[in-house]
Amino acid sequence: RKEVEQDPGPFNVPEGATVAFNCTYSNSASQSFFWYRQDCRKEPKLLMSVYSSGNEDGRFTAQLNRASQYISLLIRDSKLSDSATYLCVVPLGGNKLVFGAGTILRVKS
Amino acid sequence: DTEVTQTPKHLVMGMTNKKSLKCEQHMGHRAMYWYKQKAKKPPELMFVYSYEKLSINESVPSRFSPECPNSSLLNLHLHALQPEDSALYLCASSQGQGAPAGELFFGEGSRLTVL
Repeated sequence: RKEVEQDPGPFNVPEGATVAFNCTYSNSASQSFFWYRQDCRKEPKLLMSVYSSGNEDGRFTAQLNRASQYISLLIRDSKLSDSATYLCVVPLGGNKLVFGAGTILRVKS
Repeated sequence: DTEVTQTPKHLVMGMTNKKSLKCEQHMGHRAMYWYKQKAKKPPELMFVYSYEKLSINESVPSRFSPECPNSSLLNLHLHALQPEDSALYLCASSQGQGAPAGELFFGEGSRLTVL
């Protein structure tokens, strides 16, 4: 099993839709998890951190399910500007981070 | 604007050239990273420096040589590269020990083409 797995998509959704991505991880010892956003030909930027049960920031909600070893990212009321690749990141200890392959989101008008 | 600065933004080099990529941060972060990213792929970890000491080398070929002259600077020296080394090279920093390990600040990257 890969250390971090994501559905690559693309997820094509209309503006205003709610969309959710999942990310599964294999290291049960991981305590914290992160979602990054990467625009085309740009650097990744931290979107949200998830340390316990979940985190909410405006239209974005991240949830952690330790029993099933996955995290999710929910985006409500999608905007055109949300179109990007969303990367799941899992620390493995000692500053070693593993990136998922990323999920492509395309929001269309 | 990113607080991690990378130079050059673009670099074209031949297989016999020697060049360097540079990265600078002034956030007081004590961990610095080099990642390599190919098109449509996620970033792949190459090296990590923690408190100016090399802590992780992900079995990177010796034609890539990292250097951390001080806590604000990180270099990647390139020599005898292959065309398949063409990629976006991303530098990142994080606070270091005691801070969340996954909160990275990335530079805009250096886009390298090896001819």
